Amino acid sequence: DQQVKQNSPSLSVQEGRISILNCDYTNSMFDYFLWYKKYPAEGPTFLISISSIKDKNEDGRFTVFLNKSAKHLSLHIVPSQPGDSAVYFCAASARAGGTSYGKLTFGQGTILTVHP
Amino acid sequence: KAGVTQTPRYLIKTRGQQVTLSCSPISGHRSVSWYQQTPGQGLQFLFEYFSETQRNKGNFPGRFSGRQFSNSRSEMNVSTLELGDSALYLCASSLDGSDTQYFGPGTRLTVL
Repeated sequence: DQQVKQNSPSLSVQEGRISILNCDYTNSMFDYFLWYKKYPAEGPTFLISISSIKDKNEDGRFTVFLNKSAKHLSLHIVPSQPGDSAVYFCAASARAGGTSYGKLTFGQGTILTVHP
Repeated sequence: KAGVTQTPRYLIKTRGQQVTLSCSPISGHRSVSWYQQTPGQGLQFLFEYFSETQRNKGNFPGRFSGRQFSNSRSEMNVSTLELGDSALYLCASSLDGSDTQYFGPGTRLTVL
């Protein structure tokens, strides 16, 4: 039962253009969402997060959009740079209720390649 | 501020052995979570510790255990290793009340 899904295993983008990474979830208890970036042989690096009370959050080149009714979130990277090439994971947690301490549920990841 | 550190970075064991992995969280972070990453299953939650107490546990067999010390450092132990335990084991720390977790570099465990 995959509660967080990233349906695109890979995405290829030209430098300077927009990268859009998508993520869908099925568990309506999720109320906090995060995006991580991961290079091979390293741990995931936190990029940006969003609470379910918001529909957008921006941090520099990164913007996360949340559509609660569709149970869908996306990460926009503008402009894309070759250094952004990595695996991107979306993750979700269910904060309310206090029963999911420390547990993030991850998608399978999307490999982003930004070509110069 | 120093990040999350994990030791050792690489480990090779044989079936039936046991292994202990160590994690030092970011200073001031008292919550430590552990994850297993494999190509087939992705990142799977193992357990979370806070103030030396396990507060949450994922769907892993009892061979996987952990503990946390008073300085928030954490260890996880896998007994009677199986080939399928070969994975990248990641530790993450966070401030209590925050869902933003910061990950260490991981320990790559290979079971032969």
